[in-house]
Amino acid sequence: EAGVTQFPSHSVIEKGQTVTLRCDPISGHDNLYWYRRVMGKEIKFLLHFVKESKQDESGMPNNRFLAERTGGTYSTLKVQPAELEDSGVYFCASSTPIAVSGANVLTFGAGSRLTVL
Amino acid sequence: LAKTTQPISMDSYEGQEVNITCSHNNIATNDYITWYQQFPSQGPRFIIQGYKTKVTNEVASLFIPADRKSSTLSLPRVSLSDTAVYYCLVGDTPSNTGKLIFGQGTTLQVKP
Repeated sequence: EAGVTQFPSHSVIEKGQTVTLRCDPISGHDNLYWYRRVMGKEIKFLLHFVKESKQDESGMPNNRFLAERTGGTYSTLKVQPAELEDSGVYFCASSTPIAVSGANVLTFGAGSRLTVL
Repeated sequence: LAKTTQPISMDSYEGQEVNITCSHNNIATNDYITWYQQFPSQGPRFIIQGYKTKVTNEVASLFIPADRKSSTLSLPRVSLSDTAVYYCLVGDTPSNTGKLIFGQGTTLQVKP
């Protein structure tokens, strides 16, 4: 099966511009997550969708970040306006409905590298 | 979610067995232990998960002592392609929502 696909793989923009990252989860995966790693830091959770609904967006850094998942399929993460500190790698992950036993296992995409100049 | 502690880095040579130990002293009764592997320019990839004793799959083994306050990921006969960052994560079920807390991970360097 196809994995989690992210686009673009790398985006270079100037401070103040807008960037939209896209994630296509594995077909049939209701859960979709966004994570990011900024320079020198650990991978951090941003938010979690269950189908088209935001289940948990406690990790979103501020209101410059907007995530959507219309129709419960692919998701977009928009950063507007971008700041220097937004540079990093944004990972998308998906999973099947929460496991009855065992911890939930996520499949990650390769990430979208964002460079803000 | 319980915090984990693991070595920042490890070196090994091809063909050797590598054991990476993770401490999770505050693990809760319902917590499972999950290991992910991450190659450069890729996202983390699930390796193995366990609750207690020993779990083995085609990639690795996971040893969990009775007190569950630590776990050891064992990679048999590593090759150069096993050079990666390995993350130990602890999360609970059934309330686990996929909100994973990553630490720094262990960077494993396999040398020829």
